[in-house]
Amino acid sequence: DAGITQSPRHKVTETGTPVTLRCHQTENHRYMYWYRQDPGHGLRLIHYSYGVKDTDKGEVSDGYSVSRSKTEDFLLTLESATSSQTSVYFCAISESQGWVAFFGQGTRLTVV
Amino acid sequence: KQEVTQIPAALSVPEGENLVLNCSFTDSAIYNLQWFRQDPGKGLTSLLLIQSSQREQTSGRLNASLDKSSGRSTLYIAASQPGDSATYLCAVDNAGNMLTFGGGTRLMVKP
Repeated sequence: DAGITQSPRHKVTETGTPVTLRCHQTENHRYMYWYRQDPGHGLRLIHYSYGVKDTDKGEVSDGYSVSRSKTEDFLLTLESATSSQTSVYFCAISESQGWVAFFGQGTRLTVV
Repeated sequence: KQEVTQIPAALSVPEGENLVLNCSFTDSAIYNLQWFRQDPGKGLTSLLLIQSSQREQTSGRLNASLDKSSGRSTLYIAASQPGDSATYLCAVDNAGNMLTFGGGTRLMVKP
């Protein structure tokens, strides 16, 4: 299995609380991505990183922030969780841009 | 804005059949097209990557073709097996860092 892990795998949180999801890779890939998957919307890109401290917005970035202080870690933060952010979140990695080599197993987040 | 459509949304076939999954996209100026497989409750697994200069890619019983001019790709699965049951997604890259995914085709292969 590819060296990419997400934590936590499941989380229930209350509206208005901050939440941080972690993606950790051991593949030394340059690019890291956060996607969310929702019924009827498919997979949509939230943010991505092309190097340490280099990040950019994706299609659905409002309400989310990211940080990458080390090659291996990419954090996704929901500053103040809302019910519309209930989703399954996937991290992905690749060596070069324009494709994805590996996905993580996903984090199921429920905001109540 | 790129839109990716996969038809059919669900497909059920008996074991041993050859089958074709379809993916269409609205903007033909793509760099790459990628096919993935997703098992229930799991992440996506990359199956095949077709770069814009290529017409097809093969891996084992899987063959993917790309026709940029018509905005279509097909994934051909030969001699289907129950273990092939999963959701298959295609994704296209226009801008170099933002894959646009289709809604997927949920495949069930019955023994």
